[in-house]
Amino acid sequence: DADVTQTPRNRITKTGKRIMLECSQTKGHDRMYWYRQDPGLGLRLIYYSFDVKDINKGEISDGYSVSRQAQAKFSLSLESAIPNQTALYFCAPGPGHWDEQFFGPGTRLTVL
Amino acid sequence: GEDVEQSLFLSVREGDSSVINCTYTDSSSTYLYWYKQEPGAGLQLLTYIFSNMDMKQDQRLTVLLNKKDKHLSLRIADTQTGDSAIYFCADRLQTGANNLFFGTGTRLTVIP
Repeated sequence: DADVTQTPRNRITKTGKRIMLECSQTKGHDRMYWYRQDPGLGLRLIYYSFDVKDINKGEISDGYSVSRQAQAKFSLSLESAIPNQTALYFCAPGPGHWDEQFFGPGTRLTVL
Repeated sequence: GEDVEQSLFLSVREGDSSVINCTYTDSSSTYLYWYKQEPGAGLQLLTYIFSNMDMKQDQRLTVLLNKKDKHLSLRIADTQTGDSAIYFCADRLQTGANNLFFGTGTRLTVIP
């Protein structure tokens, strides 16, 4: 969805490094979600936010933290990256008015 | 928690119909979604259905929902080589984080 941007799109980092993944949306959604995709496991929820002051852990939040800097921006941080955090990360604002759910283009993260 | 299941692989010949099946366990599902993911790409929303509907048609795509059996299917008519991809079903529950729960994805291979 062109209304959602994620940066960086690809990142290779080393074990122990801190890294931040950023997500921005232009649709004015209050809710934003971070998911992780591993091969053969589908997507799983890491963190979600219902508004700027409401942050909640998802199914697999250990090793991650988030920041909701504004309604449009929701960042995911890995304080000390480890190899099993190698995955594809998706941000998802919404759902939309008709309950459609779009995803950002994803960030491919490799931790060596 | 919610459990969404899909078969891992499906092969069809070009021009035939493809049927991808999905089952879920939580009866409080509100919306059910189908996404397509091509290699190295993000998630493309194909279609979705409200839980009080039993069928939705959108060009070559037909979604069937059997709420009693908690079974969802996606039929692709006149399957083309460009339909080769991984297809994910996902459902949204009425409570909690209101996030999507994903199946593991079905890899569709279209044989020319």
